[in-house]
Formats: sequence, structure tokens, C-alpha cells
Amino acid sequence: SQKIEQNSEALNIQEGKTATLTCNYTNYSPAYLQWYRQDPGRGPVFLLLIRENEKEKRKERLKVTFDTTLKQSLFHITASQPADSATYLCALENSGYALNFGKGTSLLVTP
Amino acid sequence: DAGVIQSPRHEVTEMGQEVTLRCKPISGHNSLFWYRQTMMRGLELLIYFNNNVPIDDSGMPEDRFSAKMPNASFSTLKIQPSEPRDSAVYFCASSRDGNSPLHFGNGTRLTVT
Repeated sequence: SQKIEQNSEALNIQEGKTATLTCNYTNYSPAYLQWYRQDPGRGPVFLLLIRENEKEKRKERLKVTFDTTLKQSLFHITASQPADSATYLCALENSGYALNFGKGTSLLVTP
Repeated sequence: DAGVIQSPRHEVTEMGQEVTLRCKPISGHNSLFWYRQTMMRGLELLIYFNNNVPIDDSGMPEDRFSAKMPNASFSTLKIQPSEPRDSAVYFCASSRDGNSPLHFGNGTRLTVT
């Protein structure tokens, strides 16, 4: 069966450090993968999209990698700030239009 | 751009009652999605519309659930009759097309007692 796995344990890091979140998947061949941020009581907000032929994508302090051999994406936030505290969701393309989401990893950045 | 607008924000109802959730997508977006989020199952896709036509409703849990999109600026998700296990946050999302990033509303938190 198809699975998208994100670390269910919260990630606690100190301000200024790099946060790295992992998304592993099985039985998918996604054309692209997306990362979203979700704050309590709000809907997810799109951050980055990376396609299967791209190894890495950057946007300001964010970096995403996509390894289709390992079936894994890594999401990095450099120089993390308390305002980066949120739940981060990875989402995989399925059937050309549907996005299937992982359950997310909660990030807490402490001053 | 007002974003995707959902109403109501919170809904508390008794088992057996009909519930209607509403969504106004972003103008110009031709794809609309309904998702449900719970702690146990995360975000689950319920139904996908393209140009107001339901394309994939395989995620709709039971016949108690139905969704409509009478025009490009309005969609509803109805549960009749509601059950306690339907308690969740229901999100509507729209996108420019089926392959573009999703823009989510802030959801409707449904509690069925």
C-alpha cells in the first residue's frame, strides 16, 4: 500500500540552527513533491514544489532535496527562528492531480 | 485576493442531523478539493472538482457524504445523517489547475455529539 512517512515526534531546535525534516514514501512514483506549513487553527500554506528531475530547490532560508532512488525528500530551514515553529507537511502527486499528504512533523524553535 | 473562504468556522451538531459546509474558491482557479483532517489519519482527500465537474470522489467515505459545485465560485460538502466519527476539520482548497500548488481555506471544525 502507499505510505508517506514523516517523523511523528516533534523536532525541537535552538534558534539559529538548521532544522532538517524528513519525508519518506513507498509505492509512489510522484512527478513532483510539495512542502506545506500549517499553523494551529489554520489551513496548510504552500512553501515549495520540487519535480522528479530536480535534485534540489531553494527559496530564501528553505531548501528541499528529492531523491527518487531513496524515495525520500529532506526539508531544511537554515538560521531557524521562533517564527518558524509550525507543523510541516510533505505532499506527493498521485494520479496527476491528487496530492496525498503525510501527517506532518511539528517543529519548535526556541530562543 | 481574499483567499479560499470557508464557512462556518465551527459547527457543533447532534448525531443524525444534516451538516452543510461551504467553500468559495479563489477566483480564476479551476480546481477545487475537499480534504478532511484528523489526528489519526492526517489530511485525506475526499473529492476533486475540475471546472465544476466532480472528477474523483473515491475518497468520500460513505453515501452519507455528498459534494456539489453548482458554479465556479461555490461548493458545498453535505453530511446527512452526521455521526460522531465524522468529527474532524474539513478543508477546502483550490488551485489554478490540477497540478498547481493548493491554496487552503482555514477549515471548518465539525463536532458531532
